[in-house]
Amino acid sequence: AQSVAQPEDQVNVAEGNPLTVKCTYSVSGNPYLFWYVQYPNRGLQFLLKYITGDNLVKGSYGFEAEFNKSQTSFHLKKPSALVSDSALYFCAVRDDSSASKIIFGSGTRLSIRP
Amino acid sequence: EAQVTQNPRYLITVTGKKLTVTCSQNMNHEYMSWYRQDPGLGLRQIYYSMNVEVTDKGDVPEGYKVSRKEKRNFPLILESPSPNQTSLYFCASSTPGGGGGETQYFGPGTRLLVL
Repeated sequence: AQSVAQPEDQVNVAEGNPLTVKCTYSVSGNPYLFWYVQYPNRGLQFLLKYITGDNLVKGSYGFEAEFNKSQTSFHLKKPSALVSDSALYFCAVRDDSSASKIIFGSGTRLSIRP
Repeated sequence: EAQVTQNPRYLITVTGKKLTVTCSQNMNHEYMSWYRQDPGLGLRQIYYSMNVEVTDKGDVPEGYKVSRKEKRNFPLILESPSPNQTSLYFCASSTPGGGGGETQYFGPGTRLLVL
């Protein structure tokens, strides 16, 4: 069975510092991995995804994520945090053997202090 | 503008009173899904549809029904709502392709309170 874990409920970072939001996964086949962001009172917005190829994926708003197969991780990163990055972040995974079952993590609240 | 719309955005109801939450997308997407979001649990899939008249259960389908009579619409029906269905609900759509890595587009959410 596939699963995804976001071990931190909350991450606090000072503006201008690098940020990392962690995600680990478990699938039986090859993973398709996603990051979504949710701003207050809004639906989820797509940030980036990994399907195949380069392990470092670049996405919207200066975010990137690194796929690490040996550690089964897909951590979200940004070199310099902005206050406007404060939001709820969800990691999601789909097994390549399943057409429509995507599993979301429990979410990590990112708080950037000025 | 490409979007997924949901109505109503907020709903307060009482136990047992049937309700429907509508979802519509204007992107001609084949796939549509319903999720519920609860604190500490992330998003859990309720039902999904791969095309018109094709629906299947997600992880938490109990107490919900769906239908897909038209490609653009995917209503969520609660025949007899109960307080444990109080939650934030999201509809999403996507199109196949991309080797399974298709991006989902989410509606703005419907906050439901069942008393």
